[in-house]
Amino acid sequence: EDQVTQSPEALRLQEGESSSLNCSYTVSGLRGLFWYRQDPGKGPEFLFTLYSAGEEKEKERLKATLTKKESFLHITAPKPEDSATYLCAVLSARGGGNKLTFGTGTQLKVEL
Amino acid sequence: GAVVSQHPSWVICKSGTSVKIECRSLDFQATTMFWYRQFPKQSLMLMATSNEGSKATYEQGVEKDKFLINHASLTLSTLTVTSAHPEDSSFYICSARDNPGSTDTQYFGPGTRLTVL
Repeated sequence: EDQVTQSPEALRLQEGESSSLNCSYTVSGLRGLFWYRQDPGKGPEFLFTLYSAGEEKEKERLKATLTKKESFLHITAPKPEDSATYLCAVLSARGGGNKLTFGTGTQLKVEL
Repeated sequence: GAVVSQHPSWVICKSGTSVKIECRSLDFQATTMFWYRQFPKQSLMLMATSNEGSKATYEQGVEKDKFLINHASLTLSTLTVTSAHPEDSSFYICSARDNPGSTDTQYFGPGTRLTVL
């Protein structure tokens, strides 16, 4: 069974204080690892897809990296508008490669 | 690009009635759409996978007769909650996959908050 564990569950940062969110996974045949941002009462917003170990992607203050066992979402100099829940999900080759398995998310709060 | 809409954004209904939720891919064609359910403070749980022109595939424990899914076109999938009860109250989110086999990325709709009285 595919499993995704995110840590920490919650993170409080001061504006400008950089940090990283962790996503550990076990999967049978990784087809992709996805990061999403979810604001309260809204659907997840797509951030990144990573396919193989060593891959990195960046978007504004966010940078996602991938190893064979985990992914990190690095947040550089965060702003209050970065406050949200960040979800990690994996897609495996199991079951036709359709099912995303989500972690429980990291709730990020960035304060002034 | 890759915008997915849902309608309605929220709905309140009486116990025993049926509710239909629409999911549309606005700027791309989606041969596959997905329906998720999310409880407060929990992550997304896949309910079913919807393929255009064929029957949906339901996850274990999801009642097919209670959650009817129709994917009649490449841009529209509907979820009907039949004979709704208070325990069906939840946040329902759909997603659509753009260009399957290439990116495999699922794009999510804004969600529908269902409250059953």
